[in-house]
This record gives sequence, structure tokens and C-alpha cells, in this order.
Amino acid sequence: EVQLLDSGGDLVQPGGSLRLSCAASGFTFSSYAMSWVRQAPGKGLEWVSGISGSGDSTNYADSVKGRFTISRDNSRNTLYFQMNTLRAEDTAVYYCAKGRYSTSASLDYWGQGTLVTVSS
Amino acid sequence: DIQMTQSPSSLSASVGDRVTITCRASQSISNYVYWYQQKPGKAPKLLIYAASNLQSGVPSRFSGSGSGTEFTLTISSLQPEDFATYYCQQTYISLQATFGGGTKVEIK
Repeated sequence: EVQLLDSGGDLVQPGGSLRLSCAASGFTFSSYAMSWVRQAPGKGLEWVSGISGSGDSTNYADSVKGRFTISRDNSRNTLYFQMNTLRAEDTAVYYCAKGRYSTSASLDYWGQGTLVTVSS
Repeated sequence: DIQMTQSPSSLSASVGDRVTITCRASQSISNYVYWYQQKPGKAPKLLIYAASNLQSGVPSRFSGSGSGTEFTLTISSLQPEDFATYYCQQTYISLQATFGGGTKVEIK
């Protein structure tokens, strides 16, 4: 059974940093791309970043480019999201999600989400 | 960037109704469209992949169609558990994606 366990969300001040983690199990982690998708309170879904199964390729939405970094440790079956220079508009539930294949941002399994609140 | 314009943003329907939701892409994206269902407080769930293929375990009353720039999600006979918000997504460029704005399906 595929399981994705997001963690790391917290209350952080504007300008601060946070690292999210996503522990994966139930599939061959290194064979699949992974993405982070966020949802601001009462708003729709926003894809923010993706990484290939090997970790060689990454991509970002313009809204986070240069501030956030996606990475993965295939030996630990874990996805990471380093979030720097956080802004109030980054407040959202962040979901990690599994791609349907090694370079896909189409998403067949999702974590439960972790809440990031940026506020002073 | 490729934009996805989803309509309507909300609709009211009754159990047993046929419901159609549309997404329009800002450029041709072949069949790189996916549809998700999200219930309040829950993660989204994949319903349709590659525009018209039913994800395993999804009831057959859900169907998708389209290619190029126009795509539709149809629920043939709305059931009580289908009241939710639906999102389209495009993934035309590798490791990139955008979602439509969502359609909230409410009980009439």
C-alpha cells in the first residue's frame, strides 16, 4: 500500500525558513517523480515544485522559484522541501504527491498535508 | 506558462443529475490532462488520467474527454458522495503542472 507521510509544517515569521519532509513507503521510491502542491486557506490547488525519480531534474512555479528547493534522498525514501524567505502568501497546506512515472507531475497518491503558517 | 480555465466555478445539482465540468487550456496540450476530486479537509484524489482514462477504483459514472485545448469531466448520475470540489490539471511539459481554479459541486 502506497503511503506518504508529510511533516514539518509550523508557524514561522515572515523571512524565516522551514523544511518539510515526506516519508514514502509501499512503492519503489526512486522510480517515480514527486511533487509538492499547496492550498492556501479557502483557495484552490497550486502545483509548486517537482523532482524526477533520480533527482537529476527539478522544476518550480514562478511563485517560489529562487526561494524554495526540492530534493530527495532515495536511500531513505524521503522527499524534502526547503522553504526560505517565507512570505505571508506562502501560508497553506502543503501536500507531497507521487508522480505516475519518473518524470510526471500527474499525481496518483497524496500525503495528508502539513500546514505552514507565515505570520508575525 | 500554460493556463487552465475551468468552468463553472460552482454548480448546484441534484442526486441523479448529469454534471459536466469544462477546462480550457491556453495552448494545445494533447491529452495531458488529469482530473481530481477533493472533499473538505482531505487530500485530492485522482479520478481521470490522460484526459479519458479512469483511474483504478473510480466508479464508472465518471468519464473524461477532450484533446488539444478543450476537456470535460462528466458525472453521468450524481451520487451523494460526489458532492466535492473538482480540479483539472495539465502536465504537458515534463515536471511542470498547473491546476484549473476548481469547480465546487453542491447539493441543490
